[in-house]
Amino acid sequence: ELVLTQSPATLSLSPGDRATLSCRASQSVSSYLAWYQQKPGQAPRLLIYDASNRATGIPARFSGSGSGPDFTLTISSLEPEDFAVYYCQQRNNWPPSLTFGGGTKVEIK
Amino acid sequence: QVQLVQSGTEVKKPGASVKVSCKASGYTFASYGITWVRQAPGQGLEWMGWITAYNANTYYAQKLQGRVTMTTDTSTSTAYMELRSLRSDDTAMYFCARNDGYCSGYNCYLAHWGQGTLVTVSS
Repeated sequence: ELVLTQSPATLSLSPGDRATLSCRASQSVSSYLAWYQQKPGQAPRLLIYDASNRATGIPARFSGSGSGPDFTLTISSLEPEDFAVYYCQQRNNWPPSLTFGGGTKVEIK
Repeated sequence: QVQLVQSGTEVKKPGASVKVSCKASGYTFASYGITWVRQAPGQGLEWMGWITAYNANTYYAQKLQGRVTMTTDTSTSTAYMELRSLRSDDTAMYFCARNDGYCSGYNCYLAHWGQGTLVTVSS
């Protein structure tokens, strides 16, 4: 069974800092990975798909990189609205399913 | 624009069932599958299952097999998720989301989400 491990669990940074979030897959299933941002009381929002493609309307300060099993989400310069929880996600082979990482909380230092 | 609008808050007793709806608009409903994800209070995202668009095949998380049923009504562009034999640990926010990319392969992601439906299970 595919497991996605995100690190760190919490990242304490200041506005303007660079944030680097990691997602490691337990199996090298594919090079496809998605990243989501979730703020309290809201649904997740797709940031990155196919490991490195920004979703519609996502600012250029968000970038994704990597291929199985290690992936990275980078926020080049944190804006106040970027403090949130971030999840990675991959599709499993069989049975068809999706797996989410446990999340990284980016909090204000 | 693509919209997924879910039904409202539910409060259920242990052992009861709940059926959550997800009404889609802004796209051809039959062309995209729907995934259901839940989130217990203070916890991460848990994939529950999905229903494919073209043939309504369903795939469920193993831990929910036998208690969950996902269906669609193409005449009203609505997806449904029914969960039976509710327990206290089913208390969560339930989200529907549209399958984007190519979910028959590995390139599967969720670009559009409903607003969530809070289901509380309490005696």
